[in-house]
Parts: sequence; structure tokens; C-alpha cells
Amino acid sequence: DGGITQSPKYLFRKEGQNVTLSCEQNLNHDAMYWYRQDPGQGLRLIYYSQIVNDFQKGDIAEGYSVSREKKESFPLTVTSAQKNPTAFYLCASSELAGRGRETQYFGPGTRLLVL
Amino acid sequence: RKEVEQDPGPFNVPEGATVAFNCTYSNSASQSFFWYRQDCRKEPKLLMSVYSSGNEDGRFTAQLNRASQYISLLIRDSKLSDSATYLCVVTGGSTLGRLYFGRGTQLTVWP
Repeated sequence: DGGITQSPKYLFRKEGQNVTLSCEQNLNHDAMYWYRQDPGQGLRLIYYSQIVNDFQKGDIAEGYSVSREKKESFPLTVTSAQKNPTAFYLCASSELAGRGRETQYFGPGTRLLVL
Repeated sequence: RKEVEQDPGPFNVPEGATVAFNCTYSNSASQSFFWYRQDCRKEPKLLMSVYSSGNEDGRFTAQLNRASQYISLLIRDSKLSDSATYLCVVTGGSTLGRLYFGRGTQLTVWP
């Protein structure tokens, strides 16, 4: 059963703590993405990766870090430098970036709350 | 200026009604266009791609007007299950694979 999984579904972070959100896909997609969604807002791109061992900053990368050591995995770390981390985090993947292959498929998301 | 602009609604329509959403995009170089659907507290899911010639999928029809840089989605014979937020999505810019999402238009279909 192919798809994208994210864990945990809910995550609580204490002040000054780093937390890592997991994203795994078995679609054999090359490109992976992390978005943040705030209530009533559109999706904002945090980081993306088009190939293993390479990634680029999106529009709101400050306070976040990623790694892409394996094709199927793209974890996101929310660091203590991110002062307003409460949001819905969505991971997505797509085939090789390029015309006709941009359709992105999303995982079920992780809700991060600050205690 | 935002890459993609949508009327946030909400649109409240009775079952069986026809409803249309529009969105505009700012980058004339955009090549691919999509409508996604997002249910409350869920992830977005692809509803349909939008082609230059327009395309239809059952009760859903999507149109693209490149000259005016707008995209439309028409839903005929609305069902209760159509209640969701509809996201207009376009490619653009110099980054391959990068998608730009509108804030979404909220639709509620009532019995």
C-alpha cells in the first residue's frame, strides 16, 4: 500500500526543546517537501529536496532543519530558534521535479503544540 | 503580491446547487495548474489537474484562462460530501517542482 506516512500525529514541545517530525514515503518519489499551515492560512514552504543528500530552503526556513540521507525519508527538526512553532506540518512528495511531474501527494500531517 | 489569490468564502449552498470558484495567479510563466481539496484538519488531496483546453471529471469542471491568468472550478449538483476547502495551486518561478498554494475557498453544502 503505497503512500506517505508522518509521525507522530500530535507532538508537544516544551520551551527550548528541539523536536523532530518524521516523514517517510514508499512511492519512489525523488522530490520531498515540508510545509507549514496555520489556521485560515495557505501552505508555506519550509524546505524541499529534489535528490538525496541535497535540500534547499523554502520561504520560512528559519528555525527549522532537515536532512535527506535516504530517498524515502525527509525528517524535519523544529529547533528552539523557531519562536512560534504551533502549526500543522505537512510533508509531501512528487516524482522528479519537472513539467508534468509536479503533482504533490501529502502525508496526513503532524500537529505541533507548544506547552 | 501573492502568487495565488482566492476568495476565501465561505460559500454556503444547498444540495444540488451549482457553485463556481475562481482564482488568479501572478506568474505568467506558470505551466501547471491544479485544484486540491482539503477536509477539515486533514491533508490536501489532488482533486484534478487543469489543462489549457479545460477538463471535466464527473460533476467537476476546471477551466484555465492564460490571457487573464485565472483558473476556475465548477461543481454541479453539489453533494453534502463536497463540503471542504478547495485550494488553487500553480507552478511558477525558477524552481522546478515548486508549487504555490492559494489560501483556499471554503465550501459548505447544506441539506
